[in-house]
Amino acid sequence: GENVEQHPSTLSVQEGDSAVIKCTYSDSASNYFPWYKQELGKRPQLIIDIRSNVGEKKDQRIAVTLNKTAKHFSLHITETQPEDSAVYFCAVGRSARQLTFGSGTQLTVLP
Amino acid sequence: SAVISQKPSRDICQRGTSLTIQCQVDSQVTMMFWYRQQPGQSLTLIATANQGSEATYESGFVIDKFPISRPNLTFSTLTVSNMSPEDSSIYLCSARGLAGGNEQFFGPGTRLTVL
Repeated sequence: GENVEQHPSTLSVQEGDSAVIKCTYSDSASNYFPWYKQELGKRPQLIIDIRSNVGEKKDQRIAVTLNKTAKHFSLHITETQPEDSAVYFCAVGRSARQLTFGSGTQLTVLP
Repeated sequence: SAVISQKPSRDICQRGTSLTIQCQVDSQVTMMFWYRQQPGQSLTLIATANQGSEATYESGFVIDKFPISRPNLTFSTLTVSNMSPEDSSIYLCSARGLAGGNEQFFGPGTRLTVL
């Protein structure tokens, strides 16, 4: 089955700096790569996703890059703000199949 | 995005009893899933709820312990049977395939405590 590794497990940045979280996966047939943000006590929220036919996608301060050859993808958050503090999960999947989630990254943005 | 509701939102149960969690999606979706999340941990897939047929369980989860129903394209239930303290966790319903898309959304979760 699919194996997803996520790094780092914790990340602290100063407000205004950038944060990068990386995930690697094992199944070369995977073609869908979403990222979720989970605040304490809340449900995971889909924040951005990318499909295998695209190398990069941006949405305001958030971007995701995908390297299919190397089987890794990354979440980039620029100009971080305290409200970005949360746990972020990457996930990997295929159409009509279940997603496999990474282990999560606790991001703390220090004011 | 799909609106997913779950009930109950939380419960405290006695050892040996069972609890049924309900999940309702506001639109028809292709796939529905049940996850478990321990505090500070990632999401562990329990099973895929199949409409009109038996659920597909992941390794380590069995139907006798976690019976699942999905009578239609918008509703599913998960029962946690013969509970023990080790079953204390957050149980999350999830849905994918709204309007044929890939996006997967989560319900608010049910916080279960077993005494």
